[in-house]
Parts: sequence; C-alpha cells; structure tokens
Amino acid sequence: SQQGEEDPQALSIQEGENATMNCSYKTSINNLQWYRQNSGRGLVHLILIRSNEREKHSGRLRVTLDTSKKSSSLLITASRAADTASYFCATEGNTPLVFGKGTRLSVIA
Amino acid sequence: DAGVIQSPRHEVTEMGQEVTLRCKPISGHNSLFWYRQTMMRGLELLIYFNNNVPIDDSGMPEDRFSAKMPNASFSTLKIQPSEPRDSAVYFCASSLARSNSPLHFGNGTRLTVT
Repeated sequence: SQQGEEDPQALSIQEGENATMNCSYKTSINNLQWYRQNSGRGLVHLILIRSNEREKHSGRLRVTLDTSKKSSSLLITASRAADTASYFCATEGNTPLVFGKGTRLSVIA
Repeated sequence: DAGVIQSPRHEVTEMGQEVTLRCKPISGHNSLFWYRQTMMRGLELLIYFNNNVPIDDSGMPEDRFSAKMPNASFSTLKIQPSEPRDSAVYFCASSLARSNSPLHFGNGTRLTVT
C-alpha cells in the first residue's frame, strides 16, 4: 500500500511555536498533499507538492518532499490556537488519494 | 459555490435497517469519491466515479454496500442491511478528473448503527 503514515500521532505546542509533522509512504507517487480536518468537519486541502518538487510554501506553511526517502514534512510557523486540528498527508500515484491516519495538533494559547 | 453537500449530517438506525447517504458534488467536478473514517482504520476509499461511471469499487467492504451516481450532480451510498460495525463517518469528495487536482470534501455523515 502507498498509504502515508504521519508522525507524531499527536503534538501539543504553545501558541507562537512552530509545528512540524512528518509523513512517510511506501511506493512511487505523482504528488503528495496535506489536508487539515477540524473536529466534526470534512478535510480541507492545504497544499500539494509534485514528485519533481522539493519544497513549497503557502503562507505560514512549508512543505518538503524527499522522494529518495519517501518522506515529507509539513511545517506550520508561528502557530495559532486556530491551527488546532488534525493534519493528514495523502499520496497520489496509480490510485486515487490514499490518506494516513493523521497528526492531531493542539496549539495552546 | 456551496461546496460538496452531504445529507444527512447524522443518522442513527437499528441493525438490519437500510441506510442511504447522499452527496451533491461541486458543479463542474467530474470525479466523485466516497470515503469512510474510523478511529481504528483512518480514512478508507470505498469507491470513486469518473464522469458518473464507477471506476474502482474494490474498497467497498461487502455486498451490503452499493453506490450510484445517476447524474453529474448526485450520488448515493446505500448500506443494506446495516450492521453496528458500519458505524463511522462517511465522506463524499469531488475533484476535477485529472492528476494533481485536490479533493474537496463534504462535512460527512456520522452513521451510528445500534
């Protein structure tokens, strides 16, 4: 399976700190995407990085991709209480998006 | 655009009853996906459609599950008969049918089978 696995499963930080989440996967991919899910809601797309890209930025988000290690990281800088949510990586290859089980981020004000 | 619309938001039913979940994708999107989310198994892809045609239903757990997409603006996921282990949150998502297109999710239907 090319299912991504996020690490850590849970992360608790203070407001203003940076949060880093990691994702590992098993097979070759076309792209890797990060999604966010607030409690009781659907997933919301954050950022997509293609297999030929190494780094991408969007606002306070920074994503890296290392295809040789089959891993990605999501960095949220200057975190806010509103960033509290679960974050999922998802990989697209020969099949539609396959999601990991997520990292639960808690940002304490 | 109102986004992907799912109904109902919550469904509580007794074991053995038929359950029908509904989804309206974003207008113009031609791919539609049904996912199931549980604590134990995370997000699982059940089935997806391109241009209203089912492409891969290998994730459908059993014959008790069926999905249809009669037109570009409507899809249903039916469970008959329902069982307690079907309790989960069911998500519908839509996208453009091309690589590198992100998914747009509805807010899900929380199904409880007692």
